[in-house]
Amino acid sequence: GQSLEQPSEVTAVEGAIVQINCTYQTSGFYGLSWYQQHDGGAPTFLSYNALDGLEETGRFSSFLSRSDSYGYLLLQELQMKDSASYFCAPLGTGRRALTFGSGTRLQVQP
Amino acid sequence: DGGITQSPKYLFRKEGQNVTLSCEQNLNHDAMYWYRQDPGQGLRLIYYSQIVNDFQKGDIAEGYSVSREKKESFPLTVTSAQKNPTAFYLCASSPNQGYGYTFGSGTRLTVV
Repeated sequence: GQSLEQPSEVTAVEGAIVQINCTYQTSGFYGLSWYQQHDGGAPTFLSYNALDGLEETGRFSSFLSRSDSYGYLLLQELQMKDSASYFCAPLGTGRRALTFGSGTRLQVQP
Repeated sequence: DGGITQSPKYLFRKEGQNVTLSCEQNLNHDAMYWYRQDPGQGLRLIYYSQIVNDFQKGDIAEGYSVSREKKESFPLTVTSAQKNPTAFYLCASSPNQGYGYTFGSGTRLTVV
């Protein structure tokens, strides 16, 4: 089966850096993906880590440590539009994301 | 432009009725998925399909049914057996060897 842990809420100010952690347990691990979802909208794919280390995509970076079953999403130079929920989704057997967990709600303040 | 289309955006169901949610994609993706999201919660997998004419149950399949007669289409039927169907339903697709899911804009189902 799968289990996921993410903080439920994080608050930060514009221009700051925030890290959203994710610990997981899954069978047949293929990688860890991250999604952003604004209120009422659909999730959009942000990044994916198949190997240990840091992947950078603009203001967003994602990190994975397979030995620790741990990853994080790093958001830099926060903007108001980054206020959203962020979900980590480990890909298990068959590259399927069985669950996206409860997500982390990020509130960016002026 | 390629993408996933879900319809309708809002759907109201009476007690005891079956309703079908549409999901169509033109991304040529092999795999398609249905998720349910309740307020303030994450996404839970209902059903998924990796090839035409084949599908598998997810964690919360009871009270739902699907079909996959065409690669592009993966409709979800919410049956009267689903006791608490009010939720936001999201359809997604991915290439079988890929890792990023593309989501539709969702259908918000309400029981009246």
